[in-house]
Amino acid sequence: GQQLNQSPQSMFIQEGEDVSMNCTSSSIFNTWLWYKQDPGEGPVLLIALYKAGELTSNGRLTAQFGITRKDSFLNISASIPSDVGIYFCAGSNTGTASKLTFGTGTRLQVTL
Amino acid sequence: GAVVSQHPSRVICKSGTSVKIECRSLDFQATTMFWYRQFPKKSLMLMATSNEGSKATYEQGVEKDKFLINHASLTLSTLTVTSAHPEDSSFYICSARDTGGGFYGYTFGSGTRLTVV
Repeated sequence: GQQLNQSPQSMFIQEGEDVSMNCTSSSIFNTWLWYKQDPGEGPVLLIALYKAGELTSNGRLTAQFGITRKDSFLNISASIPSDVGIYFCAGSNTGTASKLTFGTGTRLQVTL
Repeated sequence: GAVVSQHPSRVICKSGTSVKIECRSLDFQATTMFWYRQFPKKSLMLMATSNEGSKATYEQGVEKDKFLINHASLTLSTLTVTSAHPEDSSFYICSARDTGGGFYGYTFGSGTRLTVV
């Protein structure tokens, strides 16, 4: 099935640094979502984006829905150790009843 | 908030046996649930959409006779891996949708790690 491409694949940063990751697709989505997955757990939704150009924040997290509807980015400011995990973007196309297509993931590690 | 319980969290079985994984929505009703498979260090791949009271919809390449899905009630969907083989070893995750929650209503279970020996 289709997958969304995320970059970077992994990153090591120091506590307090800002993080930026993005997600691109060859096709259009009308909803973009960002999830975080801890080891051995299911993903937890961080931010949902419903409109092209939309910029949404959730605490230290900010995400934007690209104008072309083919990309999205997620920023994390002032990273802390508990930000460690895998971040996935996901796209959806036909409303809230639709299945999700997940990105390839960005693994974040934070050093003290 | 919406809670999805997945059981068991880990299971080891012998080749040729079948394993059943349960996904329950604890505080809401879910007409639709989704089953995903995740290999180590990889993303979630949708296997099938489970519809209450009707047949599941399988993604291309997923064997429906191998991965049996039953969604007999509004709070329970089960995935049965039949005649399991070592290549079926993986992390299986379910998701259920609380219809009143928008995309924040897509709640994931904590996953089941299946090891076939």
